[in-house]
Amino acid sequence: QVQLVESGGGVVQPGGSLRLSCAASGFTFSSYGMHWVRQAPGKGLEWVAFIRYDGSNKYYADSVKGRFTISRDNSKNTLYLQMNSLRAEDTAVYYCAKDLSAGDASYYFDYWGQGTLVTVSS
Amino acid sequence: EIVLTQSPATLSLSPGERATLSCRASQSVSSYLAWYQQKPGQAPRLLIYDASNRATGIPARFSGSGSGTDFTLTISSLEPEDFAVYYCQQRSNWPPTFGPGTKVDIK
Repeated sequence: QVQLVESGGGVVQPGGSLRLSCAASGFTFSSYGMHWVRQAPGKGLEWVAFIRYDGSNKYYADSVKGRFTISRDNSKNTLYLQMNSLRAEDTAVYYCAKDLSAGDASYYFDYWGQGTLVTVSS
Repeated sequence: EIVLTQSPATLSLSPGERATLSCRASQSVSSYLAWYQQKPGQAPRLLIYDASNRATGIPARFSGSGSGTDFTLTISSLEPEDFAVYYCQQRSNWPPTFGPGTKVDIK
């Protein structure tokens, strides 16, 4: 069965950095685009970033562009999110999510991890 | 950016009743709309994609309809495990966006 397990969350000061990881299993990781989606406490869902199955294309929400970098290691079945210049408004649970479609992305999210909480506070 | 609005914000119903949730887009998204269910402390779960296609393993009591700007998620007969928050999401225009959610709670 598909499993996505995030790690790397925690408390960081404004301006600091954090790297999230998402370990994938139960499917052919190298065939699917992957996403990060976040949810601020008590709020709705916000798409953050996407990486193509082969890592050749990456897209970001305007709110994180230039500060966050999505990457993947298909040999380790792992997705990453490097977060720099963190702000209080980045405080959220960060989910990694698998794209519904193999190959070209559908931008629907059919499997999600359990999420990892990032708190930006002094 | 396409803005999705959902109504009502809260829907109070009893088990066995029919639930009808609405999602409206600020411009046409064709049929590129999904619905997700989220329970407290859990990740969202994909229910419906492309407006009316049930995702793998989703019970038949969940159905989606609509196109253009107006969409509906219907739960034909609420089970106890269906009380949750439901989000719609569009993928027609970049970036993908979500609605604010409808909470279905027990009356």
